Parts: sequence; C-alpha cells; structure tokens
Amino acid sequence: ETGVTQSPTHLIKTRGQQVTLRCSSQSGHNTVSWYQQALGQGPQFIFQYYREEENGRGNFPPRFSGLQFPNYSSELNVNALELDDSALYLCASSSRDWDTEAFFGQGTRLTVV
Amino acid sequence: AQTVTQSQPEMSVQEAETVTLSCTYDTSESDYYLFWYKQPPSRQMILVIRQEAYKQQNATENRFSVNFQKAAKSFSLKISDSQLGDAAMYFCAYRRGGATNKLIFGTGTLLAVQP
Repeated sequence: ETGVTQSPTHLIKTRGQQVTLRCSSQSGHNTVSWYQQALGQGPQFIFQYYREEENGRGNFPPRFSGLQFPNYSSELNVNALELDDSALYLCASSSRDWDTEAFFGQGTRLTVV
Repeated sequence: AQTVTQSQPEMSVQEAETVTLSCTYDTSESDYYLFWYKQPPSRQMILVIRQEAYKQQNATENRFSVNFQKAAKSFSLKISDSQLGDAAMYFCAYRRGGATNKLIFGTGTLLAVQP
C-alpha cells in the first residue's frame, strides 16, 4: 500500500449539497492531484496542487475547487452537487521537485442522489 | 490534445499463460512518459510499469514487460506467467514531460485470469 490516505471512503449526498473530500499525501511528496473516475471509465484529471498553489486544471467547472495545506495534505470541494458528480474520486501524491511518479489513494466513492 | 486509446474492454487468460494488453496514444510532444496502472477491486491505482519516451529499450518489471513502438505510438503490456492476483482493470496512461504531473488515462481493459 502507498502512504496516500483518503477520507471518507464512501459518501452519499443530495443534489445541490456541497461536499469536501480529504487526502493525506505520502511523506516527502509536495504535489497532490485529484481525479474523477466515473463508472466504467478511466480517471479524468481535475486539478493539481503544488506547494499550496493550483498548478494545472482539467476541464471541470469552477464549482470544483481545492486546497493544499502546509503539510501538503489536500481537500477537494464540490459545490452544488449534480447527479453526474457521482464517481470515484482519486487523490495522487508525488514530488514535482524530484519528478517522482504518482502514488494513489484508495479513493472516495461519492454517490449523489 | 493528447489521447490514450485501449481497444480491448475485456481480456481473459489462463493461469500461467501470457497475455498482451494493447494501448495506442496520440501526441505531438517529444518528451513524455507512458505507464500501465493496475486497479484491483480495492480501487487503489497501482503503478505496474513506466516507460520514458526517450528510451529505446523496452521497460521490464519481473513478469511485466512493454512493447514500446514510438513511431506507431503503440504501448502494449505483456504479462507472463499470469497469476490469479493479476486479475484487475488495467489502465494505460500518458504524461507529458514537465511541471504538471497530469496523467491522461485510457478507458481500461478488464483482465480475468482463469484457474
């Protein structure tokens, strides 16, 4: 197992609500990326944080936002949830400075009803 | 835009046999990396093997090896001596060289291993 942990593992929310997902990066890693994986699909890049700044964003609306903290852990926030936001959300940590590969957490399964 | 295509939604292999998973990609970049990730039912994405585009030699990790054909933009994964624990979803992924560690994934191949 990697040192990347995500919480919670499962979550059920109602359409229109807001949700916060959390990720603790592996020790020594300063970069966190978030991905959305819809059922039966490959993960899609949402955004990446490097040293507390957003450093790249995929094709996701502004209601998807994030934070990275001084200890390099991260949050993904989604406002005004829609049914299509139901997916597995994966967090990956890496070290941009050392060009290491991404190590993934086990994901948070979000269901929007 | 870069794309990754996996044309085999499902594959099956007998235990101890060899199987090859296919992947093609499209990019105009010269500096990039290619990966195969394994996603078992536990959902955690596990790196299987990595290939740097500038390296001509195909990467190998124990029973896993790749056939990297740069001109054809093809990147297949060969699993030798298949084991029951190899059963999982396999994703091919691309990353451009440089600052952003953004991975572009294919749609995956579900590998079943028959005892």
